[in-house]
Formats: sequence, C-alpha cells, structure tokens
Amino acid sequence: SQQGEEDPQALSIQEGENATMNCSYKTSINNLQWYRQNSGRGLVHLILIRSNEREKHSGRLRVTLDTSKKSSSLLITASRAADTASYFCATVRQAGTALIFGKGTTLSVSS
Amino acid sequence: GAVVSQHPSRVICKSGTSVKIECRSLDFQATTMFWYRQFPKQSLMLMATSNEGSKATYEQGVEKDKFLINHASLTLSTLTVTSAHPEDSSFYICSVPKQETYNEQFFGPGTRLTVL
Repeated sequence: SQQGEEDPQALSIQEGENATMNCSYKTSINNLQWYRQNSGRGLVHLILIRSNEREKHSGRLRVTLDTSKKSSSLLITASRAADTASYFCATVRQAGTALIFGKGTTLSVSS
Repeated sequence: GAVVSQHPSRVICKSGTSVKIECRSLDFQATTMFWYRQFPKQSLMLMATSNEGSKATYEQGVEKDKFLINHASLTLSTLTVTSAHPEDSSFYICSVPKQETYNEQFFGPGTRLTVL
C-alpha cells in the first residue's frame, strides 16, 4: 500500500533555483524519510525527520513536517544538474518496520 | 562502498521459468530484510518482509507461492519469482534496516526483470 500523494509529480527548474516537493500521508507515523533515486537505480537515504520534530536541515536540504496536516516538504536549495532524480517520501509507523512510499516527484534540473 | 548488493542486476527470461534474485547485506547481519517492487514511472510497493529463521510476511495481494522468499542466513535473502509471466516484469529492490536505529534503510541497487 502507499501512504499518499506527492506533488508535484514532475518539476523542471534551472540550476541555481530552489526545488520544493510536498508529501502527504494518511496514518500516524514514527518518522518520515526522504529518499532519492537516480534513473533505474537503488534508493539513497537523504534525511529523516521524527514525528516530534518540525524542521530539519542537512546541507542544501530542508525538510519540514506538519503532523496535524499529515504533510511534509523537501526543499533543495541552489539546485544543480546532479540533483536530477526522483524523490520519494516514505513513512515508518513503527521503528524497524517497512517503509511505505509516496508516489514520488521527478525533478529535472537543467544547466 | 555498497552496504547492500543484489544479484543479478538484470535478467531476461522466458515466460514460465523461475528466476532467483539474491540480496546480501555486506556490512552487518540483518534479521530482517524487505522486498519492494517498482513498475516503470511508479513508486516502490512493499511486497514482503523477509525474516531470518522464520517465514516471510507478505503484503496483501502478493502471492506467497508465486514469490518465494528464503532468508537463508543473517546476510542473505533470496526472492524467487516462480513461473514468471510478462506482467511480473518489474524492478525488484531489497532493503536492509540500519542496524543502530532500525529506521532508515539501505537499499540494494535493484534487479531489472524482463519476462518475454
């Protein structure tokens, strides 16, 4: 099963611009994570935010979480062509259980 | 370096044959591994949870007799797609929970299965 929607489904921007992706989920969560997938490859973990956190930063990434709205956003600042990939949010209901993925946003950054 | 490996990375087979995909945890022992399936331009869907020493737990709608999972050791889980058909063509990815936190996961590079 999937948790919910991500929007936009596809996003095209120029290098240097910021990219914002949103994710909504349906059930209660222990934490929410964002992953990146380059075309036809495995996933790479980007950042994890716990249910009691509201915002987290890691390098050019900024994640917010609003548990009252069951939504999260991922902001990539000063994007680069190398950021071109698909980005997925994933939730965990209990520690140690499987990830439930959103539908993903395909980001294309042109130079 | 890679934490999780998968073999093969790509396989093409005829309809009706069985295909085995291996997932190995390279850096640590894993009592639990997860198997996902991803169709083109779609997200990952959890298929099953592989448990070392016990039966796998399958998600609703996933046929356990069709997708055989064997967690043979603390570093190896295998997924066998039995009597594969074209609709089984997909990208199969395994993951291993990070040992300390059991929250974030390490993903294998995936296996592209094409059934002719």
